Amino acid sequence: KAGVTQTPRYLIKTRGQQVTLSCSPISGHRSVSWYQQTPGQGLQFLFEYFSETQRNKGNFPGRFSGRQFSNSRSEMNVSTLELGDSALYLCASSEANLLRNSPLHFGNGTRLTVT
Amino acid sequence: ILNVEQSPQSLHVQEGDSTNFTCSFPSSNFYALHWYRWETAKSPEALFVMTLNGDEKKKGRISATLNTKEGYSYLYIKGSQPEDSATYLCAFLGNEKLTFGTGTRLTIIP
Repeated sequence: KAGVTQTPRYLIKTRGQQVTLSCSPISGHRSVSWYQQTPGQGLQFLFEYFSETQRNKGNFPGRFSGRQFSNSRSEMNVSTLELGDSALYLCASSEANLLRNSPLHFGNGTRLTVT
Repeated sequence: ILNVEQSPQSLHVQEGDSTNFTCSFPSSNFYALHWYRWETAKSPEALFVMTLNGDEKKKGRISATLNTKEGYSYLYIKGSQPEDSATYLCAFLGNEKLTFGTGTRLTIIP
């Protein structure tokens, strides 16, 4: 089975722009969750999607949004980029939603740099 | 804001020695505790998902215990090998959100 695929791997944007990141889960996985990692911080939960519905959201401003398609692929969008949005963004898929205690399978991440 | 703390932050261990580290988490609203291993230039890899107080899980030389009443989990590595060098992350699942600790960075000295 192919693993979780995230595109692009690297991205450079300027302040004020917007960006869309993509995540293709493992075949058959219906849950996709997104995480942000910045230097000195642990992975911070952004949101989880299951069957095209956002199930829950972390403590991030409304500039961070996402969606999930019928084939379980997910996109994350960040609008009006700020320097502090520079981070590694990871997505993870699992067979069931987080409450079913399925382990997460992570992608390799997208490294976003905002200048 | 939930506090999930891991200690120590970093650790150097001689090859062949055994080691352990700690994850502390809130003892209320507990749903599950995840452990992941994150090697440099790779993506995090699931080790365990633990749900019951007193749970013990084992995968090869790595094992973990869980105490939900006092809010801690231990990860043990027996007979460390160079390939065990990685950052070990725990994550607390409560209120439908997963909160990660900042990890324990383990370096095995050959």
